[in-house]
Amino acid sequence: DTAVSQTPKYLVTQMGNDKSIKCEQNLGHDTMYWYKQDSKKFLKIMFSYNNKELIINETVPNRFSPKSPDKAHLNLHINSLELGDSAVYFCASSQGNGGASDEQFFGPGTRLTVL
Amino acid sequence: LAKTTQPISMDSYEGQEVNITCSHNNIATNDYITWYQQFPSQGPRFIIQGYKTKVTNEVASLFIPADRKSSTLSLPRVSLSDTAVYYCLVGDPPYGQNFVFGPGTRLSVLP
Repeated sequence: DTAVSQTPKYLVTQMGNDKSIKCEQNLGHDTMYWYKQDSKKFLKIMFSYNNKELIINETVPNRFSPKSPDKAHLNLHINSLELGDSAVYFCASSQGNGGASDEQFFGPGTRLTVL
Repeated sequence: LAKTTQPISMDSYEGQEVNITCSHNNIATNDYITWYQQFPSQGPRFIIQGYKTKVTNEVASLFIPADRKSSTLSLPRVSLSDTAVYYCLVGDPPYGQNFVFGPGTRLSVLP
């Protein structure tokens, strides 16, 4: 059984396009997150949602927008894609309210390549 | 979130015990210490978490001295499948605006 799933696994697109990455968790967790891992392997939090409310809004460009239709889903929408957006994006979830002491469960990642 | 420092890489051989130390001089009173493991092309996976002294689970042990300014992840008898990047995180709710998994420690287990 997949705990945290993401689709697609790979995404190749042209600059200027708009794309979405979907994330679903079947763990019944209260908080979900989006991370970006760059080429230097730094994994940086972008957003997190707790019970459908944004509780962290990292200083990412407003071209990125998280959307949570329900507690089990947190999708990431990206408008006007740029070359620098190329990275691996990870979705995660945790039972608690988003503290660093919460155990997070990560999805397999989506490798985005912007040409 | 407290700043952490880890070695960039380590090599070991199968069957050996591996100890990875993380420095966190600015740890706050309420901060927990958490370790994650990341295999290539996968998301990080929680390994162990502790507050003080020693914590042990089926995968690893975590040693935390009394001053809590450092912690050591101990992997007993590593195998080739333990080759991964190991991240040390220190913090407590809520996340800071600049919450980042650092570059971690890349462990290579050799046959």
